[in-house]
Amino acid sequence: QKEVEQDPGPLSVPEGAIVSLNCTYSNSAFQYFMWYRQYSRKGPELLMYTYSSGNKEDGRFTAQVDKSSKYISLFIRDSQPSDSATYLCAMSAPGGYQKVTFGIGTKLQVIP
Amino acid sequence: DAGVIQSPRHEVTEMGQEVTLRCKPISGHNSLFWYRQTMMRGLELLIYFNNNVPIDDSGMPEDRFSAKMPNASFSTLKIQPSEPRDSAVYFCASSPNQDQPQHFGDGTRLSIL
Repeated sequence: QKEVEQDPGPLSVPEGAIVSLNCTYSNSAFQYFMWYRQYSRKGPELLMYTYSSGNKEDGRFTAQVDKSSKYISLFIRDSQPSDSATYLCAMSAPGGYQKVTFGIGTKLQVIP
Repeated sequence: DAGVIQSPRHEVTEMGQEVTLRCKPISGHNSLFWYRQTMMRGLELLIYFNNNVPIDDSGMPEDRFSAKMPNASFSTLKIQPSEPRDSAVYFCASSPNQDQPQHFGDGTRLSIL
């Protein structure tokens, strides 16, 4: 079993929909959580990061961490065609954002 | 501001040849990371450096792979000899310190024939 599980999709939604992307993990030591967005033939781009449990909001994006369930989510409100990309969750144990484990990534397509 | 710069962007070479990938981290960043990304395994950490010193190379697949960071603004990942199964996209990332997340370059797409 992988340490981080993420549905690879693809996930297709109409423009304007609320998108929910999720990851589960097995390592209870993970404390640092990140979401990256990766466009085709580009490097991962940091979207959001948070330490421990709770919610964090940035514009149309909201990240949630539930450590008791070992479950993290990224919500995208009012999705746009430009949000079409692969979204990777990532996490690391105490020691900071160094030895990071990534999910396989969920491919999202927002249909105009 | 310039991001992480990787070269070359694409490399196609024959099995058995030596391959050298290059990375220039963001200025002022003290940590540098090398990753490999494939469809099957996703993004995997190969090795990372703090202040030019290798800290963890447990992700390096085998002795054919080596990485160096001779100074704060340059790192190389070398594969010698290369094999077809090394074909992947190799990413370099950097971060200011261990308390800040990493920023990635656009990768080198490597094909070994």
